[in-house]
Amino acid sequence: KQEVTQIPAALSVPEGENLVLNCSFTDSAIYNLQWFRQDPGKGLTSLLLIQSSQREQTSGRLNASLDKSSGRSTLYIAASQPGDSATYLCAAEQEHDYKLSFGAGTTVTVRA
Amino acid sequence: DADVTQTPRNRITKTGKRIMLECSQTKGHDRMYWYRQDPGLGLQLIYYSFDVKDINKGEISDGYSVSRQAQAKFSLSLESAIPNQTALYFCATSDSTPEQFFGPGTRLTVL
Repeated sequence: KQEVTQIPAALSVPEGENLVLNCSFTDSAIYNLQWFRQDPGKGLTSLLLIQSSQREQTSGRLNASLDKSSGRSTLYIAASQPGDSATYLCAAEQEHDYKLSFGAGTTVTVRA
Repeated sequence: DADVTQTPRNRITKTGKRIMLECSQTKGHDRMYWYRQDPGLGLQLIYYSFDVKDINKGEISDGYSVSRQAQAKFSLSLESAIPNQTALYFCATSDSTPEQFFGPGTRLTVL
């Protein structure tokens, strides 16, 4: 059974600092790795999806990397803003079965 | 209007009551999912459906049942609610691509 871990559970940084969020998974036979953002009272929003054949994906200030062999993915958020405050979850899809295994998330607070 | 809607958004009920949570989507996706989220834990898959005639159990289906009334509607039922089913419930949809689209969630409290 795939186990997905996100450490730390919470993170507080001053505005402008770069954020580094970590995600580890136990089974490297993944089809893809996704990063989501969760805001209170709202559902999850997909941020980036990395296919197993890819090493990274970028969208604006966000960059996600994937190292299958070591079972790790990292989400980088450049020049953080208070609006980046949210919970960030990663999820791994096993071998194209459309089922996601989620980490518990990292709650980020960006201080103005 | 939101692409994936869930009703109700909040519900408080008592142990032993039957509860139905509803999900509707306008994205035209065939695949629909129900997840629950507990504090400090990741989302766990309860049930999923790849089309109207296809229903599959997820990792934590005990105590739950589902109905896929149409391509756009997927309901989750708790036949006899118990306190440890208190959680945040999410519906999600997808098409043939891996990306899933989530509803806003239903916060369920069982007393």
